Amino acid sequence: GAGVSQSPRYKVAKRGQDVALRCDPISGHVSLFWYQQALGQGPEFLTYFQNEAQLDKSGLPSDRFFAERPEGSVSTLKIQRTQQEDSAVYLCASSPGGQGTIYFGEGSWLTVV
Amino acid sequence: KQEVTQIPAALSVPEGENLVLNCSFTDSAIYNLQWFRQDPGKGLTSLLLIQSSQREQTSGRLNASLDKSSGRSTLYIAASQPGDSATYLCAVRSLSGANSKLTFGKGITLSVRP
Repeated sequence: GAGVSQSPRYKVAKRGQDVALRCDPISGHVSLFWYQQALGQGPEFLTYFQNEAQLDKSGLPSDRFFAERPEGSVSTLKIQRTQQEDSAVYLCASSPGGQGTIYFGEGSWLTVV
Repeated sequence: KQEVTQIPAALSVPEGENLVLNCSFTDSAIYNLQWFRQDPGKGLTSLLLIQSSQREQTSGRLNASLDKSSGRSTLYIAASQPGDSATYLCAVRSLSGANSKLTFGKGITLSVRP
């Protein structure tokens, strides 16, 4: 596709529910990142993939958060047993690899009630 | 640990004014620095990317500079317009293990008054 695509754009989850957020990176992009952005804050790093390999998951806040990219393209961020503090925008980004420009999607807005 | 600071958090200027947005970072060992724009309810749009070996980049009315040794970058916006109203985020790309992740500032919310 022309850009990074994320779905759903908006999700309201009841506390304790599991959610899955999908990211379609730009075709051919090797690197894929997930970020979490709370209201009024800058994005915070969650995890990074190079192709299908998850090379860094140091930013995942707890073991309730899990990300995968099994075929090196589409990625899914899964949050189990959601809590209110998980309410945020989850941004996916991709880049061709190396140190070039990183392109972001529109984000998935998660509200936990 | 890399920290990125953007001050002030918000800025309001009259239309037509030239303005400078500041960004500072604590660790000068960076690959590059990227400026983004974020509109309310939207994702991030890349504006300019400056590699660590470069001093500045220009795109239209935007000019970004980088002084790696002092840990500073500025985004210069010439002849500001109401359509420039948005949040501007600075992010540095540092090496962290096998990953060169972006570390963001909190952003500067710019309002350009007609």
